[in-house]
Parts: sequence; structure tokens; C-alpha cells
Amino acid sequence: AQKITQTQPGMFVQEKEAVTLDCTYDTSDPSYGLFWYKQPSSGEMIFLIYQGSYDQQNATEGRYSLNFQKARKSANLVISASQLGDSAMYFCAMREGFQGAQKLVFGQGTRLTINP
Amino acid sequence: GAVVSQHPSWVICKSGTSVKIECRSLDFQATTMFWYRQFPKQSLMLMATSNEGSKATYEQGVEKDKFLINHASLTLSTLTVTSAHPEDSSFYICSASGRGGGQPQHFGDGTRLSIL
Repeated sequence: AQKITQTQPGMFVQEKEAVTLDCTYDTSDPSYGLFWYKQPSSGEMIFLIYQGSYDQQNATEGRYSLNFQKARKSANLVISASQLGDSAMYFCAMREGFQGAQKLVFGQGTRLTINP
Repeated sequence: GAVVSQHPSWVICKSGTSVKIECRSLDFQATTMFWYRQFPKQSLMLMATSNEGSKATYEQGVEKDKFLINHASLTLSTLTVTSAHPEDSSFYICSASGRGGGQPQHFGDGTRLSIL
């Protein structure tokens, strides 16, 4: 069964608009972490934001925020004031448990294109 | 922030050649590193978890004799693709995580492997 689901293969957004990238997850472990990574065409994986399952507040990092809906098991990424440089693949990932040695499971990814 | 260095970034070689890829954590100790494989337009698939001083843990379907992993120190893990064939052509990317809870995995820049 798919543990991480990203239902949007591609998104097209006008520059300066906000965009929400969807991510739902499935786990029976009460302790887990959710991550978003950005992968430009050059291939590197850039860490954007993290949300722990016990965190009370939604995570924010600059223009990135994570809309964490625990009961719905969703962890959508919101990018405010989008820029041309935001065009990339975006991956949602989950780690069960809080140990750094635990593996990440990735979603299928969403290709975001920002139009000028 | 944490830096992971991966080398080489690009390899083209003949079928039957063995190729070694290095992954180094530059400013932190990584008892665990991860090796992923990514086909074009697809997500990252975990191949194996590399544990310092012990044998790697391979994911189901990954041939351990084909993809040799060595993690001899807290800052270096290597992946050797033995007797590579065209179907082994892919993007290989490593990651490492610090020890603390909530630590994200930091990725190397990846290696594009093309087997002729």
C-alpha cells in the first residue's frame, strides 16, 4: 500500500501567486516525521521543511509552510508568492519514528511550473 | 547546514565495468547513510541502508551482489555497481542524517550513470 500519495503530477501557477502541493500519508505509528524536498532539473534534493507528528504548530520556513491536518493525514506544502526559481519537482516524504537512522518513504512527486 | 558530498557526478562507461560512487558527510558524523535510485520522471526508490561498521540492509528486489555497499567510517559510504549493464543506467543519490530526532536527511548531488 502506498504510504505517501501526491495526487498532482503537475501544477502550473502564475508567478507571485500562492500554490498548494498536496500530500497524504498513511501510518499506524504515532511518531513520525513529514518532509518536503525540492528537486530542480539539476537533480539535487533540497530540504525545505519538516513537521513532526507531535508538533502543535504548523511548520513554516520563509515562503514555505506546511498545512498539517493530522486527523486527515495530510501534509500539504504551501508556497507563498511563487517565483520562477520555484519551478522544480517537489517530493513529500515520511519517516516513521524520530530516529535519524530511519528510512524515508517518498511520494511520486509533483512537477511545479511557475509561469511569468 | 549539513553537507553531503557525492562523487562522481557523472559517469559514462562500457558494459561490464564496475563503477564506484562515494558519499561523504562533510561536517557531521553519519552512522547511517542511504542509497537511492531514481529513473527519469519517477520518484526516489530506496535501495539500501548503509550502516557504519556493519552490513548494509537492502530493500526487497535489490541485488546485494550487484550493488555493493561499504560504510567503513562515520563520514564515508561507497556504492559499487558491479559489472554494470545498460539497465543499470540511472540517477543514484545518497543521503545522510544526523543523530538527533527530527533531523532531515541531507542529500548528495547525485550521480548520473550511463552504461553504453
